[in-house]
Amino acid sequence: KAGVTQTPRYLIKTRGQQVTLSCSPISGHRSVSWYQQTPGQGLQFLFEYFSETQRNKGNFPGRFSGRQFSNSRSEMNVSTLELGDSALYLCASSLSALNTGELFFGEGSRLTVL
Amino acid sequence: GESVGLHLPTLSVQEGDNSIINCAYSNSASDYFIWYKQESGKGPQFIIDIRSNMDKRQGQRVTVLLNKTVKHLSLQIAATQPGDSAVYFCAEDSSGGYQKVTFGIGTKLQVIP
Repeated sequence: KAGVTQTPRYLIKTRGQQVTLSCSPISGHRSVSWYQQTPGQGLQFLFEYFSETQRNKGNFPGRFSGRQFSNSRSEMNVSTLELGDSALYLCASSLSALNTGELFFGEGSRLTVL
Repeated sequence: GESVGLHLPTLSVQEGDNSIINCAYSNSASDYFIWYKQESGKGPQFIIDIRSNMDKRQGQRVTVLLNKTVKHLSLQIAATQPGDSAVYFCAEDSSGGYQKVTFGIGTKLQVIP
């Protein structure tokens, strides 16, 4: 059974650009969450989607957005990139609709903003 | 400018000894707690979880203890092995089921062969 797949694994952008990251959850998982990991702030929750609906959102500016498709695949977008957006962006999927199961993380997309 | 990173607590343990990693959580409304392990270059991996109506749960070589009175969580690893070297995160979910998980800063476990 394939794990959570994130693409691209590495990317470099410049300030002001925008970026789209993709996440394919484990087959059958309908909940997809996104996290930002930086040395300065640790792991921070961005948002969570279930059945194409955003159910929860973290404390990030509106430049960070996401969506989920009918096949549960998810994308997140960051517009008007800033240097501080450089981070490892992690996607996690879960089988359960409620917090009754573990999160399965992908290996992340490492974004560098120059 | 200079960036300030989180100073990860580090625990060094001799191979074969038991490890205890501690975590203080902040939200008394959290009802679900999880421990994750993150190896270099990988995403976090689930180790064990516990609900707020329990105070202890055991897995294979791992035990999680929950003390709600002082909002403290601990992870005990028996017979620590070199493969246990990683950063360990405690996490709490107070979102009432919406998978909004708050992670602690992590503890780096170094196993000395």
